[in-house]
Amino acid sequence: DGGITQSPKYLFRKEGQNVTLSCEQNLNHDAMYWYRQDPGQGLRLIYYSQIVNDFQKGDIAEGYSVSREKKESFPLTVTSAQKNPTAFYLCASRSYRDETQYFGPGTRLLVL
Amino acid sequence: QKEVEQDPGPLSVPEGAIVSLNCTYSNSAFQYFMWYRQYSRKGPELLMYTYSSGNKEDGRFTAQVDKSSKYISLFIRDSQPSDSATYLCAMSAVETSYDKVIFGPGTSLSVIP
Repeated sequence: DGGITQSPKYLFRKEGQNVTLSCEQNLNHDAMYWYRQDPGQGLRLIYYSQIVNDFQKGDIAEGYSVSREKKESFPLTVTSAQKNPTAFYLCASRSYRDETQYFGPGTRLLVL
Repeated sequence: QKEVEQDPGPLSVPEGAIVSLNCTYSNSAFQYFMWYRQYSRKGPELLMYTYSSGNKEDGRFTAQVDKSSKYISLFIRDSQPSDSATYLCAMSAVETSYDKVIFGPGTSLSVIP
């Protein structure tokens, strides 16, 4: 069953703590993306990666970091430098055979 | 001016109505246009995808693109309560080094039985 999985579904972060959100895809897609979604706002791009071992900052990269060591995996770390991390985080992937992105189920991050 | 504008709603219609959802955009380089449906607390799912101008139909859904007016629409016929969701438009202009997709903020739709 092909798709994108994200874990955990809910994540709680304490003040000053780094947390990592997992994103895995078995669609054999080259490109992967991380978005942040806040109520009443569109999806905002945090980071994207078009190929293994390469990634680029999106519009709101400050306070976040990523890695792309495997084609299937694109984890996102929310660092303590991100002062307002409460949001719904969405991972997506895309094949270069078409121009559409496919999304995972999302992770809701809450601050304690 | 934002690159993509979309009326956030909420839009409330009776079951069986025809729904029209719209987005306008400013970047004439956009060539790929998508509509996503997002249920509460879920990831967006791709509904329709069109390239350049014209219409595309899939069951009860029709997507229209008018590049001359920089305007795209999604029509839902015979709307059902299960269509209640937020609808996001998205578009991209493929460039050699950066394939950024721009999303609208979404329109919240409620179909009342």
